[in-house]
Amino acid sequence: QQQVKQSPQSLIVQKGGIPIINCAYENTAFDYFPWYQQFPGKGPALLIAIRPDVSEKKEGRFTISFNKSAKQFSLHIMDSQPGDSATYFCAARAGTASKLTFGTGTRLQVTL
Amino acid sequence: EPEVTQTPSHQVTQMGQEVILRCVPISNHLYFYWYRQILGQKVEFLVSFYNNEISEKSEIFDDQFSVERPDGSNFTLKIRSTKLEDSAMYFCASTSTGMGNYGYTFGSGTRLTVV
Repeated sequence: QQQVKQSPQSLIVQKGGIPIINCAYENTAFDYFPWYQQFPGKGPALLIAIRPDVSEKKEGRFTISFNKSAKQFSLHIMDSQPGDSATYFCAARAGTASKLTFGTGTRLQVTL
Repeated sequence: EPEVTQTPSHQVTQMGQEVILRCVPISNHLYFYWYRQILGQKVEFLVSFYNNEISEKSEIFDDQFSVERPDGSNFTLKIRSTKLEDSAMYFCASTSTGMGNYGYTFGSGTRLTVV
């Protein structure tokens, strides 16, 4: 029940495309859903996060869509660029300052 | 922008040796964490620490592991007798529960290689 399932495992899009990464969860106690971007040899960096009382959040080219009834959330990257090539992890947390449970990651490659 | 600092960036150790991984969390953060990531796999929670004690630990965090906040700035992870399967990236993270702030900041990690 603590798992966060993430798909796809890898994704290749052309520059300007809109990659979409999906995550699903079971634990209804989760109250915070961040997305992290990770480059090789680096730590995860917070990209954008959402709480379950909103259905969508946009920050720059990154958008989270959240469907509370389906227990699913997704990351959309608008106008993707080669510099967006990285591994993306969704995560979830149940309660203030509690641990993050990560998805399995999506390796995104944006080609020219 | 404030950072979580981890040292060393890479450590190679022999099986059975003790290692200490060091972290300096963001100064006004109150909650500290260690996570690990085996090459190519997901980030896994090890332990959380608040008010000078462990608040939660995973099944990975067995008796070989310990954490300590020896002074007001450092946060350490000790592995007493390393095993080959301890080879991974270890990330320290911290967060504050200040108004409107839910972000967890991760360090750049320590790559531990056990040979």
